[in-house]
Amino acid sequence: SQTIHQWPATLVQPVGSPLSLECTVEGTSNPNLYWYRQAAGRGLQLLFYSVGIGQISSEVPQNLSASRPQDRQFILSSKKLLLSDSGFYLCAWTSTREMVGYTFGSGTRLTVV
Amino acid sequence: QQQVKQSPQSLIVQKGGIPIINCAYENTAFDYFPWYQQFPGKGPALLIAIRPDVSEKKEGRFTISFNKSAKQFSLHIMDSQPGDSATYFCAATDQGGGADGLTFGKGTHLIIQP
Repeated sequence: SQTIHQWPATLVQPVGSPLSLECTVEGTSNPNLYWYRQAAGRGLQLLFYSVGIGQISSEVPQNLSASRPQDRQFILSSKKLLLSDSGFYLCAWTSTREMVGYTFGSGTRLTVV
Repeated sequence: QQQVKQSPQSLIVQKGGIPIINCAYENTAFDYFPWYQQFPGKGPALLIAIRPDVSEKKEGRFTISFNKSAKQFSLHIMDSQPGDSATYFCAATDQGGGADGLTFGKGTHLIIQP
């Protein structure tokens, strides 16, 4: 069965520090991968998506970047965090054959102080 | 991305009542409409989904009603329980339109009072 792993679960980082969040998927190949951010107001904002290794599409210009170094690995990064980067970050995947049934990871609560 | 408008923003229902959450969309190319349930501190989990070729789908106590002409769909929770208290998101996507992800509503914070 397919599983998605996301870590760390919580993170407190000072302003100006770097960020690296990792997401991996098991039990499938060539998934579509997504990074979402959920602010305190509950809405889910799509940040990045990837349809393959090295292929990244950005939905929102911001202080963040994403990379996909391996088929089932998706990384969210920042060189210098801002206070406004605080939020709940969610990784998700779906099959490329049928883009339904998005499965989310358990999320990372990032607090920038 | 086209919008999906979700209402109400919050909802309080007594145990056993039937909370109803409504969503409306604009993009007529949308052809897959899932609902997600999210508990505090957890990622959203797929609850139930519908395609526009049917007007209703039931899974246990959860029912989606779909009105294609009005471009609206809604979630009903029968015999609601305190354990159903969560945030619910509707979403939509055009399966043939690319991999750019689901368009989500802004969520409904549901509280079921004992």
